[in-house]
Amino acid sequence: AQTVTQSQPEMSVQEAETVTLSCTYDTSESDYYLFWYKQPPSRQMILVIRQEAYKQQNATENRFSVNFQKAAKSFSLKISDSQLGDAAMYFCAYRSGNSGGSNYKLTFGKGTLLTVNP
Amino acid sequence: DSGVTQTPKHLITATGQRVTLRCSPRSGDLSVYWYQQSLDQGLQFLIQYYNGEERAKGNILERFSAQQFPDLHSELNLSSLELGDSALYFCASSVADGFGYEQYFGPGTRLTVT
Repeated sequence: AQTVTQSQPEMSVQEAETVTLSCTYDTSESDYYLFWYKQPPSRQMILVIRQEAYKQQNATENRFSVNFQKAAKSFSLKISDSQLGDAAMYFCAYRSGNSGGSNYKLTFGKGTLLTVNP
Repeated sequence: DSGVTQTPKHLITATGQRVTLRCSPRSGDLSVYWYQQSLDQGLQFLIQYYNGEERAKGNILERFSAQQFPDLHSELNLSSLELGDSALYFCASSVADGFGYEQYFGPGTRLTVT
Protein backbone atom coordinates (compact mmCIF):
# COMPACT_ATOMS: atom_id res chain seq x y z
CA ALA A 1 0.00 0.00 0.00
CA GLN A 2 1.12 3.50 -0.74
CA THR A 3 1.97 5.86 2.08
CA VAL A 4 2.49 9.61 2.12
CA THR A 5 4.57 11.30 4.80
CA GLN A 6 4.68 14.98 5.65
CA SER A 7 7.37 15.39 8.28
CA GLN A 8 6.64 19.02 9.14
CA PRO A 9 3.47 19.34 11.25
CA GLU A 10 3.85 23.13 11.27
CA MET A 11 5.77 25.74 9.32
CA SER A 12 5.83 29.51 9.39
CA VAL A 13 6.95 32.11 6.86
CA GLN A 14 7.13 35.89 6.69
CA GLU A 15 4.89 37.59 4.19
CA ALA A 16 6.61 37.98 0.79
CA GLU A 17 9.19 35.30 1.65
CA THR A 18 9.52 31.79 0.21
CA VAL A 19 8.71 28.57 2.03
CA THR A 20 9.08 24.92 1.08
CA LEU A 21 6.85 22.16 2.40
CA SER A 22 8.16 18.60 2.31
CA CYS A 23 6.47 15.39 1.26
CA THR A 24 7.79 11.90 0.74
CA TYR A 25 5.88 8.88 -0.44
CA ASP A 26 6.36 5.18 -0.70
CA THR A 27 5.17 3.19 -3.70
CA SER A 28 6.24 0.32 -5.90
CA GLU A 29 4.37 1.74 -8.88
CA SER A 30 5.99 3.59 -11.74
CA ASP A 31 2.91 5.46 -12.91
CA TYR A 32 1.17 7.75 -10.47
CA TYR A 33 0.07 11.28 -9.77
CA LEU A 34 0.95 13.58 -6.93
CA PHE A 35 -1.06 16.51 -5.68
CA TRP A 36 -0.93 19.32 -3.19
CA TYR A 37 -4.21 20.40 -1.66
CA LYS A 38 -4.77 23.45 0.50
CA GLN A 39 -7.29 23.53 3.34
CA PRO A 40 -7.86 27.04 4.74
CA PRO A 41 -9.83 27.67 7.93
CA SER A 42 -13.04 27.37 5.91
CA ARG A 43 -12.16 23.64 5.62
CA GLN A 44 -12.65 23.64 1.85
CA MET A 45 -10.14 21.37 0.10
CA ILE A 46 -8.58 23.28 -2.79
CA LEU A 47 -6.34 21.70 -5.41
CA VAL A 48 -3.11 23.69 -5.64
CA ILE A 49 -0.97 21.76 -8.08
CA ARG A 50 -0.49 18.33 -9.60
CA GLN A 51 2.46 16.39 -11.00
CA GLU A 52 2.43 13.39 -13.30
CA ALA A 53 5.19 10.92 -12.42
CA TYR A 54 6.09 10.37 -16.08
CA LYS A 55 6.88 14.05 -16.54
CA GLN A 56 10.39 15.16 -15.71
CA GLN A 57 9.49 18.83 -15.72
CA ASN A 58 8.37 20.19 -12.39
CA ALA A 59 4.85 21.60 -12.32
CA THR A 60 4.27 25.29 -11.63
CA GLU A 61 1.12 27.29 -10.97
CA ASN A 62 1.81 30.99 -10.51
CA ARG A 63 3.57 31.34 -7.13
CA PHE A 64 3.40 27.60 -6.45
CA SER A 65 5.93 25.13 -7.80
CA VAL A 66 7.04 21.64 -6.94
CA ASN A 67 10.37 19.87 -6.74
CA PHE A 68 9.65 16.32 -7.86
CA GLN A 69 12.46 13.86 -7.25
CA LYS A 70 11.15 10.51 -8.48
CA ALA A 71 14.14 8.40 -7.45
CA ALA A 72 14.07 9.85 -3.96
CA LYS A 73 10.25 9.67 -3.85
CA SER A 74 10.13 13.27 -2.78
CA PHE A 75 7.56 15.90 -3.76
CA SER A 76 8.04 19.28 -2.10
CA LEU A 77 5.92 22.40 -2.58
CA LYS A 78 7.53 25.82 -2.86
CA ILE A 79 5.42 28.89 -2.24
CA SER A 80 7.05 32.10 -3.44
CA ASP A 81 6.11 35.63 -2.35
CA SER A 82 3.96 34.23 0.45
CA GLN A 83 0.70 36.01 1.10
CA LEU A 84 -1.53 36.10 4.16
CA GLY A 85 -4.13 34.15 2.20
CA ASP A 86 -1.70 31.26 1.84
CA ALA A 87 -2.12 30.43 5.52
CA ALA A 88 -3.73 27.01 5.60
CA MET A 89 -3.19 23.31 6.13
CA TYR A 90 -1.44 21.79 3.14
CA PHE A 91 -1.90 18.15 2.23
CA CYS A 92 0.25 16.08 -0.09
CA ALA A 93 -1.69 13.33 -1.88
CA TYR A 94 -0.89 10.32 -4.04
CA ARG A 95 -2.98 8.63 -6.69
CA SER A 96 -2.10 5.49 -8.55
CA GLY A 97 -1.74 5.62 -12.31
CA ASN A 98 -3.07 2.10 -12.64
CA SER A 99 -6.67 1.55 -13.66
CA GLY A 100 -9.38 -0.28 -11.82
CA GLY A 101 -10.37 -1.07 -8.27
CA SER A 102 -9.47 1.48 -5.65
CA ASN A 103 -6.59 2.89 -7.67
CA TYR A 104 -8.31 6.21 -8.19
CA LYS A 105 -8.54 7.05 -4.52
CA LEU A 106 -6.33 9.74 -3.06
CA THR A 107 -3.97 8.80 -0.24
CA PHE A 108 -3.17 11.82 1.90
CA GLY A 109 -0.38 12.79 4.23
CA LYS A 110 -1.16 14.13 7.69
CA GLY A 111 -0.73 17.72 6.56
CA THR A 112 1.47 20.74 7.31
CA LEU A 113 -0.04 23.78 8.96
CA LEU A 114 1.41 26.91 7.36
CA THR A 115 1.33 30.21 9.20
CA VAL A 116 2.10 33.42 7.32
CA ASN A 117 3.36 36.26 9.52
CA PRO A 118 2.78 39.87 8.42
CA ASP B 1 -16.24 27.35 -5.45
CA SER B 2 -15.47 23.86 -6.78
CA GLY B 3 -18.97 23.25 -8.14
CA VAL B 4 -19.49 20.30 -5.80
CA THR B 5 -22.26 20.84 -3.27
CA GLN B 6 -22.85 19.05 -0.02
CA THR B 7 -25.75 19.24 2.40
CA PRO B 8 -26.11 19.78 5.23
CA LYS B 9 -23.09 21.83 6.26
CA HIS B 10 -23.40 20.84 9.88
CA LEU B 11 -25.17 17.96 11.56
CA ILE B 12 -25.47 17.29 15.27
CA THR B 13 -27.01 14.03 16.36
CA ALA B 14 -26.97 11.50 19.16
CA THR B 15 -25.29 8.14 19.42
CA GLY B 16 -27.26 5.31 17.88
CA GLN B 17 -28.95 7.55 15.33
CA ARG B 18 -28.83 7.42 11.53
CA VAL B 19 -28.03 10.31 9.20
CA THR B 20 -27.80 10.88 5.47
CA LEU B 21 -25.26 13.15 3.85
CA ARG B 22 -25.92 14.39 0.34
CA CYS B 23 -23.54 15.33 -2.44
CA SER B 24 -24.11 16.80 -5.89
CA PRO B 25 -21.09 16.51 -8.17
CA ARG B 26 -19.90 19.12 -10.64
CA SER B 27 -21.91 19.26 -13.82
CA GLY B 28 -20.66 16.54 -16.15
CA ASP B 29 -18.72 14.61 -13.51
CA LEU B 30 -19.54 10.91 -13.36
CA SER B 31 -17.35 9.84 -10.46
CA VAL B 32 -18.05 10.58 -6.81
CA TYR B 33 -15.71 9.87 -3.92
CA TRP B 34 -16.40 10.07 -0.20
CA TYR B 35 -13.66 10.88 2.31
CA GLN B 36 -13.65 11.18 6.08
CA GLN B 37 -11.42 13.67 7.89
CA SER B 38 -10.92 13.10 11.59
CA LEU B 39 -8.27 14.17 14.07
CA ASP B 40 -7.29 10.54 14.72
CA GLN B 41 -7.19 9.15 11.19
CA GLY B 42 -6.60 12.20 9.03
CA LEU B 43 -8.15 12.14 5.56
CA GLN B 44 -9.31 8.67 4.55
CA PHE B 45 -11.01 7.37 1.44
CA LEU B 46 -14.33 5.70 2.12
CA ILE B 47 -15.97 4.74 -1.15
CA GLN B 48 -16.22 5.63 -4.85
CA TYR B 49 -19.11 5.51 -7.28
CA TYR B 50 -18.94 5.85 -11.02
CA ASN B 51 -22.07 6.50 -13.07
CA GLY B 52 -24.28 4.83 -10.50
CA GLU B 53 -22.13 1.82 -9.75
CA GLU B 54 -19.89 1.20 -6.77
CA ARG B 55 -16.32 1.23 -8.04
CA ALA B 56 -14.10 0.95 -4.98
CA LYS B 57 -14.25 0.68 -1.23
CA GLY B 58 -11.74 1.96 1.28
CA ASN B 59 -11.88 2.08 5.06
CA ILE B 60 -15.65 2.23 5.23
CA LEU B 61 -17.40 0.71 8.20
CA GLU B 62 -20.22 -1.77 7.69
CA ARG B 63 -22.53 0.70 9.45
CA PHE B 64 -21.91 3.10 6.57
CA SER B 65 -23.33 2.76 3.08
CA ALA B 66 -23.60 4.93 0.02
CA GLN B 67 -25.30 5.09 -3.34
CA GLN B 68 -25.27 7.18 -6.47
CA PHE B 69 -28.54 7.98 -8.14
CA PRO B 70 -29.40 8.27 -11.86
CA ASP B 71 -29.04 12.06 -11.66
CA LEU B 72 -25.51 11.37 -10.33
CA HIS B 73 -25.99 12.83 -6.89
CA SER B 74 -24.76 10.62 -4.09
CA GLU B 75 -25.78 9.94 -0.54
CA LEU B 76 -23.71 8.59 2.33
CA ASN B 77 -25.74 6.87 5.02
CA LEU B 78 -24.28 6.53 8.49
CA SER B 79 -26.15 4.39 11.01
CA SER B 80 -25.78 3.30 14.65
CA LEU B 81 -23.64 6.37 15.11
CA GLU B 82 -20.85 6.37 17.66
CA LEU B 83 -18.90 9.24 19.18
CA GLY B 84 -15.93 8.27 17.05
CA ASP B 85 -17.90 8.93 13.87
CA SER B 86 -17.69 12.65 14.54
CA ALA B 87 -15.71 14.02 11.62
CA LEU B 88 -15.76 16.14 8.50
CA TYR B 89 -17.12 14.18 5.56
CA PHE B 90 -16.08 15.29 2.11
CA CYS B 91 -17.47 14.42 -1.25
CA ALA B 92 -15.29 14.87 -4.31
CA SER B 93 -16.06 14.44 -7.97
CA SER B 94 -14.13 13.96 -11.17
CA VAL B 95 -15.02 13.79 -14.83
CA ALA B 96 -14.22 10.10 -15.07
CA ASP B 97 -12.13 7.62 -13.19
CA GLY B 98 -9.37 7.38 -15.69
CA PHE B 99 -5.91 8.75 -15.52
CA GLY B 100 -5.15 12.19 -14.37
CA TYR B 101 -8.56 13.48 -13.58
CA GLU B 102 -8.36 15.76 -10.59
CA GLN B 103 -10.83 15.35 -7.80
CA TYR B 104 -12.70 18.49 -6.84
CA PHE B 105 -13.93 18.62 -3.28
CA GLY B 106 -17.16 19.91 -1.84
CA PRO B 107 -17.24 22.08 1.28
CA GLY B 108 -17.83 19.08 3.53
CA THR B 109 -20.41 18.12 6.11
CA ARG B 110 -19.33 18.41 9.72
CA LEU B 111 -20.92 15.63 11.74
CA THR B 112 -20.97 15.85 15.51
CA VAL B 113 -22.21 12.83 17.44
CA THR B 114 -23.08 13.55 21.07
